[in-house]
Amino acid sequence: EIVLTQSPGTLSLSPGERATLSCRASQSVSSSYLAWYQQKPGQAPRLLIYGASSRATGIPDRFSGSGSGTDFTLTISRLEPEDFAVYYCQQRLTFGGGTKVEIK
Amino acid sequence: EVQLVESGGGLVQPGGSLRLSCAASGFTFSSYWMHWVRQAPGKGLVWVSRINSDGSSTSYADSVKGRFTISRDNAKNTLYLQMNSLRAEDTAVYYCASGGHYSLDYWGQGTLVTVSS
Repeated sequence: EIVLTQSPGTLSLSPGERATLSCRASQSVSSSYLAWYQQKPGQAPRLLIYGASSRATGIPDRFSGSGSGTDFTLTISRLEPEDFAVYYCQQRLTFGGGTKVEIK
Repeated sequence: EVQLVESGGGLVQPGGSLRLSCAASGFTFSSYWMHWVRQAPGKGLVWVSRINSDGSSTSYADSVKGRFTISRDNAKNTLYLQMNSLRAEDTAVYYCASGGHYSLDYWGQGTLVTVSS
């Protein structure tokens, strides 16, 4: 069973800063099935990235995904106020534990 | 616009049953896989179950296998989750989501299931 470990657990940044979130798999996984989701308090998750690097419909280009094998990254180039949320990576039917991006 | 609206959650005693529904609109429901994902209070996302487009193939997480049953009615554009033998650890917000084998492209707003005496 693949385990996805997200780090850091919490990221404290200011609007306008760059956010780099990590998702590490316990064994090599297919990039085709690596996705990232954003969840704001009291809301459902929203698909951001699929296939490790493709943005979902309507997702701003400040969000980008990269990686392969066991290491994947979600980057938010310049944080907007609405980007402060929890982010989850997913590989096939397994989710990581999440990274909370909070306002510093 | 894709819309997924869950219903059927509530308070149930341990050992009880509940059926969740997810009404879909804004897309061709019969063409997509559908999933249930749950989130315990203050915790992360956990995949629960999925069903293929025509209902002929289903999968379950080990934690619910034998207790939960996923089904769909393509004529009614509705997804279901029958939950039996409920346990305290099943307490969560249950989301339905549409997509592919593994992708969860669109999500509903969720319905809360509380298992408690």
